[in-house]
Amino acid sequence: QVTLKESGPGILQPSQTLSLTCSFSGFSLSTSGICVSWIRQPSGKGLEWLATICWEDSKGYNPSLKNRLTISKDTSNNQAFLKITSVDTADTAIYYCAHGPWGVMDAWGQGASVTVSS
Amino acid sequence: DVVLTQTPPTLSATIGQSVSISCRSSQSLLDSDGDTYLNWLLQRPGQSPQLLIYSVSNLESGVPNRFSGSGSETDFTLKISGVEAEDLGVYYCMQATHAPYTFGAGTKLELK
Repeated sequence: QVTLKESGPGILQPSQTLSLTCSFSGFSLSTSGICVSWIRQPSGKGLEWLATICWEDSKGYNPSLKNRLTISKDTSNNQAFLKITSVDTADTAIYYCAHGPWGVMDAWGQGASVTVSS
Repeated sequence: DVVLTQTPPTLSATIGQSVSISCRSSQSLLDSDGDTYLNWLLQRPGQSPQLLIYSVSNLESGVPNRFSGSGSETDFTLKISGVEAEDLGVYYCMQATHAPYTFGAGTKLELK
């Protein structure tokens, strides 16, 4: 059974760097064809894809966040990470990680709430 | 970026009624590999999204077969044949043919 769980700081101040961790079980990020994606959802709004990392370390980023995103993985410890630099209030959202082959998100975590506030 | 336009934004239905949701893309979603990466997800109130259908018409494992997807190129439809109470929530279409992945704005299914 595939499960994912996101963790993060909860609250941070503008201009800081947001670091998120996705801890998962039931699959390995070293298995051919497997990827982990990050998606966010501001309260009461829709979904926005942020980044994806796959088994062979290929990565994709949403250019709308310009160069603020870095995705990485720790295969040995079954974790994936996302960093967002220079956060502001517009980055306040629930952040999800999801499993699946490229282009498909077939299992999602419960989400981590992040608030950016001074 | 590819814009996905979902209609209607809100759908009121009675239990047992069949309903359809449309998703129209600003560009063809047919990939050069021959696949069409258009997926449908449901987000129930207070929950994470879940995958219902991938690549236009493939039912995700464990999803009831009252859900079906169809379409091609730029026009896609999700049909629910006999709405049940557990189907209430917001439905999103999502494309992964063109970077960046994008989602529709959602269609809220509520009880009439």
